[in-house]
Amino acid sequence: DIVVTQSPDSLTMSLGERATINCKPSQSVLSTFNNKNYLAWYQRKPGQPPKLLFYWASTRESGVPDRFSGGGSGTYFTLTISSLQAEDVAVYYCQQYYSPPYTFGQGTKLEIK
Amino acid sequence: QLQLQESGPGLVKPSGTLSLTCTVSGGSLGTDIHYWGWIRQPPGKDLEWIGSIYTSGTTLYSPSLESRVTLSVDTSENRFSLKLSSVAASDTAIYYCARHLRREGSAVWFDPWSQGTLVIVSS
Repeated sequence: DIVVTQSPDSLTMSLGERATINCKPSQSVLSTFNNKNYLAWYQRKPGQPPKLLFYWASTRESGVPDRFSGGGSGTYFTLTISSLQAEDVAVYYCQQYYSPPYTFGQGTKLEIK
Repeated sequence: QLQLQESGPGLVKPSGTLSLTCTVSGGSLGTDIHYWGWIRQPPGKDLEWIGSIYTSGTTLYSPSLESRVTLSVDTSENRFSLKLSSVAASDTAIYYCARHLRREGSAVWFDPWSQGTLVIVSS
């Protein structure tokens, strides 16, 4: 199984600050077949189910604000929020879909200072 | 807009079978090209993929749960179901159903997700 590790476990930032969350799969999720990274990011706000933010590591889902960006390749990925807003308080998860079983990171809880 | 809603008992006795159904609205299972999946999150633990089913009946299961999981799909009722047998307290979790998209022939990300339902295993 591919183990997915996120860091940090929690993050407390001020409004307007830049927040970065890291995601490290235990093996590369970059396909040599199509040169795509098989990684997604989700946001789960309190009382809501996870919502898709990015797929193929950096393709933003429709409706996701452009202050969110996804990057990285292989075994190191980042989710960045360029200017933190109050509504960004949530738990963020990454998920690899390179090979089953499809596994998730443990989540990063983002709070406002 | 596609929406998923799970239903089923919130309390299951140890050694019993957990049964949940996910009803899809705003779209048709029968004409969709994607998989339909189940994910759970025990209290304080990580999200765990359980399994996914295609409308043809093809299934994908997590190896850690495969011996206890049965997935089925009913395209006439636009719903799919999960059965987890021989449950224990460790199966207590929030259970989600979700569309498990297919891209380039592979099952990929999950979108959208249901609200989630808490199932407690206790006598």
